[in-house]
Amino acid sequence: GAGVSQSPSNKVTEKGKDVELRCDPISGHTALYWYRQRLGQGLEFLIYFQGNSAPDKSGLPSDRFSAERTGESVSTLTIQRTQQEDSAVYLCASSITSGGFSDTQYFGPGTRLTVL
Amino acid sequence: GQNIDQPTEMTATEGAIVQINCTYQTSGFNGLFWYQQHAGEAPTFLSYNVLDGLEEKGRFSSFLSRSKGYSYLLLKELQMKDSASYLCAVSANQAGTALIFGKGTTLSVSS
Repeated sequence: GAGVSQSPSNKVTEKGKDVELRCDPISGHTALYWYRQRLGQGLEFLIYFQGNSAPDKSGLPSDRFSAERTGESVSTLTIQRTQQEDSAVYLCASSITSGGFSDTQYFGPGTRLTVL
Repeated sequence: GQNIDQPTEMTATEGAIVQINCTYQTSGFNGLFWYQQHAGEAPTFLSYNVLDGLEEKGRFSSFLSRSKGYSYLLLKELQMKDSASYLCAVSANQAGTALIFGKGTTLSVSS
C-alpha cells in the first residue's frame, strides 16, 4: 500500500486479556518502530526493528509487552494480561533505513486500545 | 539523559506568524524533525534539520542551532487548519534508532 497501515483501528478489551496489534509498513522500508501515546502525552518509544538486526527493545515498559517482525514486512505487537494503564494509542512507523534524513518516519493511523 | 522541551500550548490568530521553540539535550545528534499531529490522527512529517540554519518550505520554516541545542518551527500566514500539535523529535544515535519526541505543542488558531 501507499502508507503504513495498522489494525485494528480500535480495540476494547477487558483487564487481563491478551491483545495483538498489527502493522504493515511501507514497502521497501527496512526500519519499523512502535510507539505508545497516552492521552495528552508525547510519543513513547517501545521497540525498533532494523532489517535482520536484533531489535532494540529498550522502550518496552514490562515483560508483558513483546513484538515480532517477519523479515522486512508485517510486525505484531502483543500485550499480555492487559492493564488499564495500557490504554493508549499505539502508533507504528516505518522508515527507509536508519541514519540522518532517511530516519524520516512515516506513521500509521494507530490503534486505540482501551482496557476496561 | 535525553530531554526535549517545548511549550505545552500556544494560541494565535489567523494570518499571524507563530514560532514554536524546542530545546534538546541528547547523548548524540543526527538530525531534528518536526511533525504535525491533528487530533486523533497520526503524526505527519514537516521538516528535517541536520545543519545549522533555516530550512524554508512554503508557509513553514524550521531553524536549528546545534551549539545551543535549539530549534524552532515558524508558521506564517496561519490558517485555521494549522490548529494541531507540533512535535519536535531528535535522532540521537548515529547508527540509527528510534526518534526521541518532545511532548508536543498544541497550537490553537482562532479567527
